[in-house]
Amino acid sequence: QKEVEQNSGPLSVPEGAIASLNCTYSDRGSQSFFWYRQYSGKSPELIMFIYSNGDKEDGRFTAQLNKASQYVSLLIRDSQPSDSATYLCAPEEAGRRALTFGSGTRLQVQP
Amino acid sequence: GAGVSQSPSNKVTEKGKDVELRCDPISGHTALYWYRQSLGQGLEFLIYFQGNSAPDKSGLPSDRFSAERTGGSVSTLTIQRTQQEDSAVYLCASSPNGGGRETQYFGPGTRLLVL
Repeated sequence: QKEVEQNSGPLSVPEGAIASLNCTYSDRGSQSFFWYRQYSGKSPELIMFIYSNGDKEDGRFTAQLNKASQYVSLLIRDSQPSDSATYLCAPEEAGRRALTFGSGTRLQVQP
Repeated sequence: GAGVSQSPSNKVTEKGKDVELRCDPISGHTALYWYRQSLGQGLEFLIYFQGNSAPDKSGLPSDRFSAERTGGSVSTLTIQRTQQEDSAVYLCASSPNGGGRETQYFGPGTRLLVL
């Protein structure tokens, strides 16, 4: 069974700090990796995706991928209270379009 | 344009009853996905439709669960003889072509409570 592991948190950071969210996955065939944000009581929304080893930056967000270590992370710079949410890591399994989601890391940004 | 819509937004039912959940994807999206999310958990894949291809049903937890997609658009997820462990938020998502690296756009979900 494919597994996606995330620390459930809560991860608490002060406003303006860098939040680092980590995810490991078991399926070596996974090629693409998605980060979704889910506010309490709301549906998930895409933050960004990455499919090449290394870093990908989009505004305050940076995704990092290391396929050899089966590890993907999301960095949020200059964290804001509005970033407080659960962040879901979702690898896309090879040959399958449905995503396998981790249980998410709850981030709390303290004003 | 309009996003993914789902109905009902909330459903309370008694154990043993059947329920139908509806999803209307973004217009023009050929791929449609059903997930469910139990309290405090991640999303669990249920079923995936892509165009006229046979659906990927590998995530359905039991034969009490079934889904249809008529005319390549609206989808209905049916749960027969509901059990208390079926209580969850059922989320529908759609994507343009079902290809790799596509964003899945989620609807607001249906919150199902089985008493």
